[in-house]
Amino acid sequence: SQQGEEDPQALSIQEGENATMNCSYKTSINNLQWYRQNSGRGLVHLILIRSNEREKHSGRLRVTLDTSKKSSSLLITASRAADTASYFCATSRGDSSYKLIFGSGTRLLVRP
Amino acid sequence: GAVVSQHPSWVICKSGTSVKIECRSLDFQATTMFWYRQFPKQSLMLMATSNEGSKATYEQGVEKDKFLINHASLTLSTLTVTSAHPEDSSFYICSAGLGNGNTIYFGEGSWLTVV
Repeated sequence: SQQGEEDPQALSIQEGENATMNCSYKTSINNLQWYRQNSGRGLVHLILIRSNEREKHSGRLRVTLDTSKKSSSLLITASRAADTASYFCATSRGDSSYKLIFGSGTRLLVRP
Repeated sequence: GAVVSQHPSWVICKSGTSVKIECRSLDFQATTMFWYRQFPKQSLMLMATSNEGSKATYEQGVEKDKFLINHASLTLSTLTVTSAHPEDSSFYICSAGLGNGNTIYFGEGSWLTVV
């Protein structure tokens, strides 16, 4: 079953601008992860944030987590054309840390 | 680093035939692997949890007799799509956990086209 919803479904920005994607989920979680997927390819793990963390950074990526609102956001700063991809949040729950439920995804297009 | 390998990367089969997709953890053992399906422009949907040495656990709405999962060793899980139909055409991707509670590795995925 799909747990999360992401918005926007699609986002088109100019190179150099920031991109923000939001994810909401329904149940309590162990952690939340963000993945990137280029068209027709496998997943690339971007960042994991634990349920007791509120913010995490990795390079140009910034992830926030608000467990009270059951939501997370992914910010990509100074976007590049190579950031064009689909981005998914995924949550794991108590029964298995490895069993992921994915959000609906955001398709990001960065125009050069 | 740890890698999960999927084979084949893409396969075309005739309607009514069966096709097997393999998922291997190359340098670590995985007692549990997971199979996902992704239709074009959609998200990944968890199909089942593959358990080494025991029956797979299927998500609601996934036909266990149609999607046969076998996890006969600690490094190999297979997904067999039986009596495939064009609507089974999809991207199938597997994952395995490293064992530290957090790290998950995904295979590169397998494109199935049923004609």
